Amino acid sequence: KAGVTQTPRYLIKTRGQQVTLSCSPISGHRSVSWYQQTPGQGLQFLFEYFSETQRNKGNFPGRFSGRQFSNSRSEMNVSTLELGDSALYLCASSLEVLGGGYTFGSGTRLTVV
Amino acid sequence: SQKIEQNSEALNIQEGKTATLTCNYTNYSPAYLQWYRQDPGRGPVFLLLIRENEKEKRKERLKVTFDTTLKQSLFHITASQPADSATYLCALRRDTGGFKTIFGAGTRLFVKA
Repeated sequence: KAGVTQTPRYLIKTRGQQVTLSCSPISGHRSVSWYQQTPGQGLQFLFEYFSETQRNKGNFPGRFSGRQFSNSRSEMNVSTLELGDSALYLCASSLEVLGGGYTFGSGTRLTVV
Repeated sequence: SQKIEQNSEALNIQEGKTATLTCNYTNYSPAYLQWYRQDPGRGPVFLLLIRENEKEKRKERLKVTFDTTLKQSLFHITASQPADSATYLCALRRDTGGFKTIFGAGTRLFVKA
């Protein structure tokens, strides 16, 4: 079966611009989470969605937002990009059953110049 | 605040030996703990999950222990192989009080032939 698909794979943006990243979870997975990964900070939690509802949000500024659609696909948006937003953005989906973990996508590598 | 600590230094071991990685946490009472493997430029891959009421879990050459009193998990890879070289992440989750999985920074493992 198809895995978690994130698009685009690589992205270069200029400071001040905005960006939208997309995530298609595994079919049947209704929970989608987003993480930011940088060499110094590891995986930092951004949001978790379930059935179009945001269940939790990490400690990121309001420039970071997300949403989930009725087909479980999710997008995250970062407005007014800063150099420090350069990172690997990872999306993960899960079946919400104990005994199973997340399935991660390959991520979107965002570079802000 | 919640904190997860993993061996910050890389672990170098000889092929055939057992690798033991440590995950310690504070200010958190996870319902379960997960271990992931991550290769450079890729998303993490789920390996094992252990619940708070379980002491040990095994899967092939992998073994995880979970001590909620010590607030520590140990991850063992027996008969290690060069292909086991990667970064290993531990993650904690509790669904009550907010749906969020928090990750440690990971430990890099190098297995020499």
